[in-house]
Amino acid sequence: TQLLEQSPQFLSIQEGENLTVYCNSSSVFSSLQWYRQEPGEGPVLLVTVVTGGEVKKLKRLTFQFGDARKDSSLHITAAQPGDTGLYLCAVSNTNAGKSTFGDGTTLTVKP
Amino acid sequence: EAEVAQSPRYKITEKSQAVAFWCDPISGHATLYWYRQILGQGPELLVQFQDESVVDDSQLPKDRFSAERLKGVDSTLKIQPAELGDSAMYLCASSLALEGFAYEQYFGPGTRLTVT
Repeated sequence: TQLLEQSPQFLSIQEGENLTVYCNSSSVFSSLQWYRQEPGEGPVLLVTVVTGGEVKKLKRLTFQFGDARKDSSLHITAAQPGDTGLYLCAVSNTNAGKSTFGDGTTLTVKP
Repeated sequence: EAEVAQSPRYKITEKSQAVAFWCDPISGHATLYWYRQILGQGPELLVQFQDESVVDDSQLPKDRFSAERLKGVDSTLKIQPAELGDSAMYLCASSLALEGFAYEQYFGPGTRLTVT
Protein backbone atom coordinates (compact mmCIF):
# COMPACT_ATOMS: atom_id res chain seq x y z
CA THR A 1 0.00 0.00 0.00
CA GLN A 2 1.41 3.35 -1.02
CA LEU A 3 1.38 5.95 1.74
CA LEU A 4 1.56 9.69 1.14
CA GLU A 5 2.71 12.18 3.72
CA GLN A 6 2.12 15.89 3.22
CA SER A 7 3.78 18.53 5.34
CA PRO A 8 3.17 20.78 7.04
CA GLN A 9 -0.42 19.91 7.89
CA PHE A 10 -1.28 23.57 8.53
CA LEU A 11 0.45 26.76 7.40
CA SER A 12 -0.57 30.34 8.16
CA ILE A 13 1.39 33.21 6.62
CA GLN A 14 1.08 36.88 5.75
CA GLU A 15 0.38 38.15 2.26
CA GLY A 16 3.60 38.57 0.28
CA GLU A 17 5.54 35.78 2.00
CA ASN A 18 6.96 32.75 0.23
CA LEU A 19 6.18 29.16 1.25
CA THR A 20 6.93 25.56 0.37
CA VAL A 21 4.82 22.47 1.04
CA TYR A 22 5.92 18.88 0.58
CA CYS A 23 4.57 15.55 -0.56
CA ASN A 24 6.48 12.34 0.20
CA SER A 25 5.61 8.83 -0.91
CA SER A 26 6.60 5.55 0.71
CA SER A 27 7.29 4.11 -2.75
CA VAL A 28 8.05 5.15 -6.30
CA PHE A 29 5.18 6.63 -8.23
CA SER A 30 4.49 6.81 -11.96
CA SER A 31 2.64 10.11 -11.95
CA LEU A 32 1.76 12.82 -9.50
CA GLN A 33 -0.86 15.54 -9.43
CA TRP A 34 -1.26 18.61 -7.23
CA TYR A 35 -4.76 19.89 -6.53
CA ARG A 36 -6.14 22.89 -4.69
CA GLN A 37 -9.44 22.67 -2.84
CA GLU A 38 -11.51 25.52 -1.43
CA PRO A 39 -13.94 24.91 1.45
CA GLY A 40 -17.15 23.29 0.28
CA GLU A 41 -15.87 22.65 -3.25
CA GLY A 42 -14.20 19.82 -5.13
CA PRO A 43 -10.42 19.74 -5.74
CA VAL A 44 -9.16 21.57 -8.82
CA LEU A 45 -6.21 20.16 -10.76
CA LEU A 46 -3.11 22.39 -10.77
CA VAL A 47 -0.46 20.26 -12.45
CA THR A 48 0.46 16.71 -13.38
CA VAL A 49 3.92 15.21 -13.89
CA VAL A 50 5.32 11.94 -15.11
CA THR A 51 9.07 12.69 -15.37
CA GLY A 52 11.47 12.48 -12.42
CA GLY A 53 13.43 15.70 -11.82
CA GLU A 54 10.91 17.81 -13.67
CA VAL A 55 10.17 21.43 -12.73
CA LYS A 56 6.92 23.08 -13.77
CA LYS A 57 5.84 26.67 -13.22
CA LEU A 58 2.31 28.00 -13.08
CA LYS A 59 2.45 31.79 -12.53
CA ARG A 60 3.66 32.14 -8.91
CA LEU A 61 3.59 28.39 -8.26
CA THR A 62 6.66 26.20 -8.85
CA PHE A 63 6.36 22.41 -8.70
CA GLN A 64 9.45 20.26 -8.31
CA PHE A 65 9.58 16.49 -8.59
CA GLY A 66 12.30 14.37 -7.09
CA ASP A 67 14.66 12.41 -9.29
CA ALA A 68 13.78 9.27 -7.35
CA ARG A 69 10.07 9.81 -8.10
CA LYS A 70 9.17 9.53 -4.41
CA ASP A 71 8.74 13.17 -3.45
CA SER A 72 7.53 16.53 -4.66
CA SER A 73 7.31 20.13 -3.47
CA LEU A 74 5.13 23.11 -4.23
CA HIS A 75 6.62 26.56 -3.78
CA ILE A 76 4.45 29.69 -3.83
CA THR A 77 6.08 33.08 -4.30
CA ALA A 78 4.51 36.22 -2.87
CA ALA A 79 1.44 34.45 -1.53
CA GLN A 80 -1.94 36.17 -1.86
CA PRO A 81 -5.17 35.67 0.13
CA GLY A 82 -6.61 33.98 -2.97
CA ASP A 83 -4.05 31.19 -2.54
CA THR A 84 -5.82 30.11 0.66
CA GLY A 85 -7.04 26.53 0.46
CA LEU A 86 -6.22 22.87 0.93
CA TYR A 87 -3.34 21.68 -1.25
CA LEU A 88 -3.54 17.97 -2.05
CA CYS A 89 -1.09 15.72 -3.82
CA ALA A 90 -2.11 12.46 -5.45
CA VAL A 91 0.07 9.70 -6.89
CA SER A 92 -0.53 6.65 -9.00
CA ASN A 93 1.78 3.77 -9.76
CA THR A 94 -0.40 1.45 -11.79
CA ASN A 95 -2.03 1.56 -15.18
CA ALA A 96 -5.45 1.06 -13.63
CA GLY A 97 -6.00 4.76 -13.11
CA LYS A 98 -6.16 4.55 -9.34
CA SER A 99 -4.70 7.43 -7.35
CA THR A 100 -3.86 7.77 -3.69
CA PHE A 101 -4.39 11.16 -2.08
CA GLY A 102 -2.51 12.68 0.81
CA ASP A 103 -4.34 14.47 3.62
CA GLY A 104 -3.19 17.84 2.30
CA THR A 105 -1.72 21.07 3.61
CA THR A 106 -4.21 23.71 4.75
CA LEU A 107 -2.81 27.10 3.75
CA THR A 108 -4.13 30.39 5.11
CA VAL A 109 -2.79 33.63 3.67
CA LYS A 110 -3.70 36.65 5.79
CA PRO A 111 -4.07 40.07 4.16
CA GLU B 1 -15.50 24.49 -20.25
CA ALA B 2 -16.75 20.97 -19.55
CA GLU B 3 -17.45 20.19 -15.91
CA VAL B 4 -18.43 17.26 -13.73
CA ALA B 5 -21.97 17.75 -12.44
CA GLN B 6 -23.19 16.48 -9.07
CA SER B 7 -26.49 16.70 -7.27
CA PRO B 8 -27.66 17.49 -4.73
CA ARG B 9 -25.04 19.90 -3.36
CA TYR B 10 -26.29 19.44 0.18
CA LYS B 11 -28.29 16.66 1.83
CA ILE B 12 -29.51 16.31 5.38
CA THR B 13 -31.01 12.98 6.31
CA GLU B 14 -31.88 11.06 9.43
CA LYS B 15 -30.01 7.90 10.33
CA SER B 16 -31.51 4.71 8.94
CA GLN B 17 -32.90 6.58 5.93
CA ALA B 18 -31.81 5.99 2.34
CA VAL B 19 -29.90 8.63 0.38
CA ALA B 20 -28.69 8.83 -3.22
CA PHE B 21 -26.18 11.00 -5.04
CA TRP B 22 -25.92 11.58 -8.78
CA CYS B 23 -22.91 12.36 -10.95
CA ASP B 24 -22.56 13.24 -14.64
CA PRO B 25 -18.90 13.10 -15.76
CA ILE B 26 -17.21 15.11 -18.48
CA SER B 27 -18.29 13.84 -21.88
CA GLY B 28 -15.89 11.24 -23.23
CA HIS B 29 -14.31 10.39 -19.89
CA ALA B 30 -14.50 6.64 -19.53
CA THR B 31 -13.27 6.51 -15.93
CA LEU B 32 -15.48 7.67 -13.09
CA TYR B 33 -14.61 7.79 -9.39
CA TRP B 34 -16.60 8.23 -6.18
CA TYR B 35 -14.68 9.52 -3.18
CA ARG B 36 -15.57 10.24 0.43
CA GLN B 37 -13.78 13.10 2.15
CA ILE B 38 -13.93 13.65 5.88
CA LEU B 39 -13.13 17.15 7.09
CA GLY B 40 -9.38 17.57 7.50
CA GLN B 41 -8.49 14.55 5.37
CA GLY B 42 -7.82 13.80 1.73
CA PRO B 43 -10.35 12.07 -0.53
CA GLU B 44 -10.72 8.31 0.00
CA LEU B 45 -11.67 6.22 -3.04
CA LEU B 46 -14.95 4.34 -2.62
CA VAL B 47 -15.47 2.98 -6.13
CA GLN B 48 -13.95 3.33 -9.60
CA PHE B 49 -15.70 2.58 -12.89
CA GLN B 50 -14.21 2.02 -16.30
CA ASP B 51 -17.18 2.54 -18.61
CA GLU B 52 -19.96 0.55 -16.92
CA SER B 53 -17.66 -1.91 -15.13
CA VAL B 54 -16.43 -1.64 -11.56
CA VAL B 55 -12.62 -1.58 -11.51
CA ASP B 56 -12.11 -1.09 -7.77
CA ASP B 57 -14.62 -1.13 -4.94
CA SER B 58 -12.35 -2.52 -2.24
CA GLN B 59 -13.06 0.38 0.14
CA LEU B 60 -16.82 0.50 -0.47
CA PRO B 61 -18.86 -0.64 2.58
CA LYS B 62 -20.95 -3.02 0.57
CA ASP B 63 -23.40 -3.81 3.34
CA ARG B 64 -24.87 -0.32 3.02
CA PHE B 65 -23.33 1.37 -0.03
CA SER B 66 -24.02 0.62 -3.68
CA ALA B 67 -22.95 2.30 -6.92
CA GLU B 68 -23.98 1.87 -10.50
CA ARG B 69 -23.13 3.29 -13.91
CA LEU B 70 -25.57 1.41 -16.08
CA LYS B 71 -24.90 2.99 -19.49
CA GLY B 72 -21.30 3.95 -18.82
CA VAL B 73 -22.14 7.64 -18.57
CA ASP B 74 -23.75 9.05 -15.41
CA SER B 75 -23.59 7.30 -12.06
CA THR B 76 -25.51 6.97 -8.81
CA LEU B 77 -24.12 6.26 -5.33
CA LYS B 78 -26.61 5.05 -2.73
CA ILE B 79 -26.43 4.61 1.03
CA GLN B 80 -29.05 2.53 2.81
CA PRO B 81 -29.37 2.81 5.74
CA ALA B 82 -27.39 5.96 6.49
CA GLU B 83 -25.40 6.09 9.73
CA LEU B 84 -24.08 9.06 11.68
CA GLY B 85 -20.53 8.21 10.61
CA ASP B 86 -21.47 8.66 6.95
CA SER B 87 -21.53 12.44 7.36
CA ALA B 88 -18.90 13.68 4.91
CA MET B 89 -18.34 15.25 1.49
CA TYR B 90 -18.98 12.85 -1.36
CA LEU B 91 -16.98 13.73 -4.45
CA CYS B 92 -17.31 12.46 -7.99
CA ALA B 93 -14.44 12.72 -10.48
CA SER B 94 -13.79 11.63 -14.04
CA SER B 95 -10.60 11.18 -16.00
CA LEU B 96 -9.12 10.61 -19.40
CA ALA B 97 -5.89 8.66 -19.38
CA LEU B 98 -2.88 10.57 -20.66
CA GLU B 99 0.47 9.23 -21.83
CA GLY B 100 1.91 6.66 -19.51
CA PHE B 101 0.04 6.42 -16.23
CA ALA B 102 -0.90 10.04 -15.68
CA TYR B 103 -4.56 10.09 -14.71
CA GLU B 104 -5.69 13.66 -14.27
CA GLN B 105 -8.95 13.70 -12.39
CA TYR B 106 -11.58 16.39 -12.73
CA PHE B 107 -13.83 16.76 -9.75
CA GLY B 108 -17.40 17.89 -9.33
CA PRO B 109 -18.45 20.32 -6.58
CA GLY B 110 -19.35 17.48 -4.22
CA THR B 111 -22.37 16.62 -2.08
CA ARG B 112 -22.15 17.55 1.59
CA LEU B 113 -24.06 14.86 3.53
CA THR B 114 -25.16 15.40 7.11
CA VAL B 115 -26.75 12.46 8.94
CA THR B 116 -28.69 13.39 12.08
